[in-house]
Amino acid sequence: DAGVIQSPRHEVTEMGQEVTLRCKPISGHDYLFWYRQTMMRGLELLIYFNNNVPIDDSGMPEDRFSAKMPNASFSTLKIQPSEPRDSAVYFCASSFPGYEQYFGPGTRLTVT
Amino acid sequence: AQKVTQAQTEISVVEKEDVTLDCVYETRDTTYYLFWYKQPPSGELVFLIRRNSFDEQNEISGRYSWNFQKSTSSFNFTITASQVVDSAVYFCALSEARRDDKIIFGKGTRLHILP
Repeated sequence: DAGVIQSPRHEVTEMGQEVTLRCKPISGHDYLFWYRQTMMRGLELLIYFNNNVPIDDSGMPEDRFSAKMPNASFSTLKIQPSEPRDSAVYFCASSFPGYEQYFGPGTRLTVT
Repeated sequence: AQKVTQAQTEISVVEKEDVTLDCVYETRDTTYYLFWYKQPPSGELVFLIRRNSFDEQNEISGRYSWNFQKSTSSFNFTITASQVVDSAVYFCALSEARRDDKIIFGKGTRLHILP
């Protein structure tokens, strides 16, 4: 298996623009997680899905953030409108129930 | 409430020295899982080990070993004969079986191995 795939790997955008991050989980994994990592706040869980259904989105910072999982092999995290404080590395991870999460390579987002 | 504490923010050791990274956790559940992840300078998060709450056996994998002690709620990680390639941020993490696989990560320990 290719592992968790994320795209793009790097994204630079201007404040106010819409940003869409994409994730393909490992085939067969039931859970998909979106994290954000910054120096100040460390690794934060934003939202996670079980069998394509959002389970807990309490970590989503505000309404500007939204996530979808239309099928078992694809998820998106959208920020609209983006702000400089959204600059971070965004990770996607997937897992079987009760097992370790496998992380994608991350998307480094810079909002200017 | 579940919580993971990695008190050591940053550690520096000289190559070939042994080093132990501490992890203390809090949970009210009797069934839980503990993890260690490595984040090298390249940025990816690499899974190292998973341990369930019913298995207190220590584990050794090459130069890596883990000491799980429920009595002190600790899950410490030791690197023997450290190498420069071990330089990374190491995260300890906890998930509770009843919390639907949500993992709580510690703040991480940044390990510098000096040549």
